[in-house]
Parts: sequence; structure tokens; C-alpha cells
Amino acid sequence: GAVVSQHPSRVICKSGTSVKIECRSLDFQATTMFWYRQFPKKSLMLMATSNEGSKATYEQGVEKDKFLINHASLTLSTLTVTSAHPEDSSFYICSAAETEAFFYGYTFGSGTRLTVV
Amino acid sequence: QKEVEQNSGPLSVPEGAIASLNCTYSDRVSQSFFWYRQYSGKSPELIMSIYSNGDKEDGRFTAQLNKASQYVSLLIRDSQPSDSATYLCAVNKDDYKLSFGAGTTVTVRA
Repeated sequence: GAVVSQHPSRVICKSGTSVKIECRSLDFQATTMFWYRQFPKKSLMLMATSNEGSKATYEQGVEKDKFLINHASLTLSTLTVTSAHPEDSSFYICSAAETEAFFYGYTFGSGTRLTVV
Repeated sequence: QKEVEQNSGPLSVPEGAIASLNCTYSDRVSQSFFWYRQYSGKSPELIMSIYSNGDKEDGRFTAQLNKASQYVSLLIRDSQPSDSATYLCAVNKDDYKLSFGAGTTVTVRA
């Protein structure tokens, strides 16, 4: 089955620094990847859609200059949280879409727990 | 109205019983529907997908879809303690974006 690798699984950073999270599709090519954020006991909220070779599409209310997304290849998308602040602490999860994912489901990465101190 | 609504939990069932989870969606153009299981601190894992009206069974899990009523459900038969998790209903429209419900937390009592 489709495997999506996300790294790092946990990161603690100081307020004001930037953090990069990687999402890789290991056994398939993903023209589209999605980035979600999940706060404790809340559901997943879509932040942005990452398209290979083009600019990401951000959901309303998500600051594109703060959450930089790069989808440079068919197997790698990165999310950079710039000038992180404590309110950015959250669980960030990526997912990748194979061609059939529309009907058969998307695979999620293992998630990144970001803590900003 | 939220795009995807799930029955409020938490849901507690004894081991061996059937757990029934419900989900309604607001957008009639929705085309495919998914149930994900999420353990605490982990990312969601896909349990079932369904896109045609009717039932779809996979092991102890059965998904039911009724597009006329804009309703999708998940039954977990012979519930096990390992089924204790939050179950997320997700709906796909025509743009490959998933909309998630708030989730229903299930606890299976041994």
C-alpha cells in the first residue's frame, strides 16, 4: 500500500525560529499533497494544498508567508513554519494523493508534533 | 451548518458489542466518503472508503452510504479494546479536498 513518510516526528524550537517539516511519498508519485493542523481534541483542519511544480493553495485564514510550502518533486513536499510562536504549537500532518485516492482514500504521514517554547 | 457532522461522543460499548457511528454531510455534490481511525497522539489511518449507495463490508467493519439522506455510517462488530480510538468521518467533494467531522471517541470496555 501507499506509504507516506513524515519527518521529524517531534520538534521543539524556540520562539522566533523556523522549522521545516518534510513529507515524502515512498512508493508512489504524488502530484498533490495536503497539509493539516490538529489541535488537541480537535479535528483535522486543512491548511493548504501542495501541487508539484506550482504554488500551494492556502485555505482561508492560513498565512501563506508564515507557512511556506514547497512541492519541488513528485515525492516531496515541505512545510516551513517561519518565525514560530507558541500559538503555532500543534500536530501537523501531511497526506498524499495517488490517482485513485479520490475514491479509495488518502494516506497520511505519521505527523509532526511541534512545540514552540 | 458544518460540512460534516458526526454523532457526539464519547461512545462506550462493552467488548463484543456493536459500535455504531453516524455521519451526515451538507454538500450534495460530495462523491466519496471515508472513515479514519485515530489513536491518541497518532495520525489518522484509513479504515473504510465508500462511494456507492449501500453497504460495504471489510472484516468487522461495515460502512453504509445513503446519498439521498446525505448520511454515512460505520458499524464495528465484535468490538475489541483495540478499537478504542477516535473515528473521523471524511467527505470528498470534486476538488480532492477532504472535509473532516469532529470525530467520535469510542471506548470499548473489557
